[in-house]
Amino acid sequence: DIQMTQSPSSLSASVGDRVTITCQASQNIRNCLNWYQQKPGKAPKLLIYDASILETGVPSRFSGSGFGTDFTFTISSLQPEDFATYYCQQYDNFPPLTFGGGTKVEIK
Amino acid sequence: EVQLEESGGGLVQPGGSLRLSCAASGFTFSSYSMNWVRQAPGKGLEWVSYISSGSNTKYYADSVKGRFTISRDLAENSVFLQMNSLRDEDTAVYYCARDRYGGYGYDYWGQGTVVTVSS
Repeated sequence: DIQMTQSPSSLSASVGDRVTITCQASQNIRNCLNWYQQKPGKAPKLLIYDASILETGVPSRFSGSGFGTDFTFTISSLQPEDFATYYCQQYDNFPPLTFGGGTKVEIK
Repeated sequence: EVQLEESGGGLVQPGGSLRLSCAASGFTFSSYSMNWVRQAPGKGLEWVSYISSGSNTKYYADSVKGRFTISRDLAENSVFLQMNSLRDEDTAVYYCARDRYGGYGYDYWGQGTVVTVSS
């Protein structure tokens, strides 16, 4: 099974900061990676698919990049509504589809 | 408007069974593959099961293989998860999620249904 290592597991940032989260796959997954946002008590929300394509309606301050084993998710200017937990997910080789462990973005 | 509504969760003893349902509306149900994803209390997301649009392909996480069965009913626009031989570690919020059209990635989710396995 492909393991997804996400880092950091948590971070503190201020409104307006640039935030970067990384996700590393245990083997080549090409560009088969999604990013989700989850707020407490809510279902996750798809933000980015195919590593870099923004889902419809998602603000352009969110972006994703990478190919193969190393991927990056960036929020260019953190907004109050962005405080949440973010997950990566690979789908190149499934089953199983695997998620990263999550990154909790907290207010500094 | 796309909607997914889960039901069927509850408290069950170890070894017991539950059947989760997910009612879909607002889209052509027969055109989309569907999934169940769970989240244990305070933990991350875990994919549980997948069913293709035509029901000909089904996948399961190793943790539930042989105990859980996914199915769908096109007439009812619903997807189901039959859960047998439940264990403490199956305690979680269970989400129904739709794959985006032509790809993998869950563009719509239900609100979740809570399954608690405890004696």
